[in-house]
Amino acid sequence: QKEVEQDPGPLSVPEGAIVSLNCTYSNSAFQYFMWYRQYSRKGPELLMYTYSSGNKEDGRFTAQVDKSSKYISLFIRDSQPSDSATYLCAMSEPGGYQKVTFGTGTKLQVIP
Amino acid sequence: GAVVSQHPSRVICKSGTSVKIECRSLDFQATTMFWYRQFPKQSLMLMATSNEGSKATYEQGVEKDKFLINHASLTLSTLTVTSAHPEDSSFYICSASGGTGTTDTQYFGPGTRLTVL
Repeated sequence: QKEVEQDPGPLSVPEGAIVSLNCTYSNSAFQYFMWYRQYSRKGPELLMYTYSSGNKEDGRFTAQVDKSSKYISLFIRDSQPSDSATYLCAMSEPGGYQKVTFGTGTKLQVIP
Repeated sequence: GAVVSQHPSRVICKSGTSVKIECRSLDFQATTMFWYRQFPKQSLMLMATSNEGSKATYEQGVEKDKFLINHASLTLSTLTVTSAHPEDSSFYICSASGGTGTTDTQYFGPGTRLTVL
């Protein structure tokens, strides 16, 4: 079993839809949770960074962490064609420069 | 802020040659830099972690004599793929962290696509 599981998609939605992206994980020691957006042939770009459980909102993006279920989500409201990319979840343990474990990424396509 | 550059963005080389990839943090001091490899439709696989002025720590299965990492300054790290072979063809991405000893955000470079003929 992988430490982080993420549905690779692809996920196609119409413009304006609410998008829900999810990851599950098995390591209960993970405390830091990130979402990255990666456009084709580019490096990942940090979107959201949260610590422990709870919600965090930034513009059209909302990140949720449910540590009891080992489940994290990224919601995108009013999705735009420019949101079309691969979204990677990532997580790490606390304490110094801990290794970050990435999901495989979900490819999202927002159709105009 | 937090811009990381990589050079070159794309390189094609013959089998048996060595290739050097540079990673620079442009607007912050990166105490730690990370090198990843990404194959098509797969996630980022960490190859090694390097702290400025010390030897890199390699992940299991990564040959340190093949993938030479140098982190000579707080803004520059290099990855040299020695005696490259076609199976080394991949997308290499660096990231940099300027943390103060606690888990800190990694900022990624744009990546380098290596093709070995």
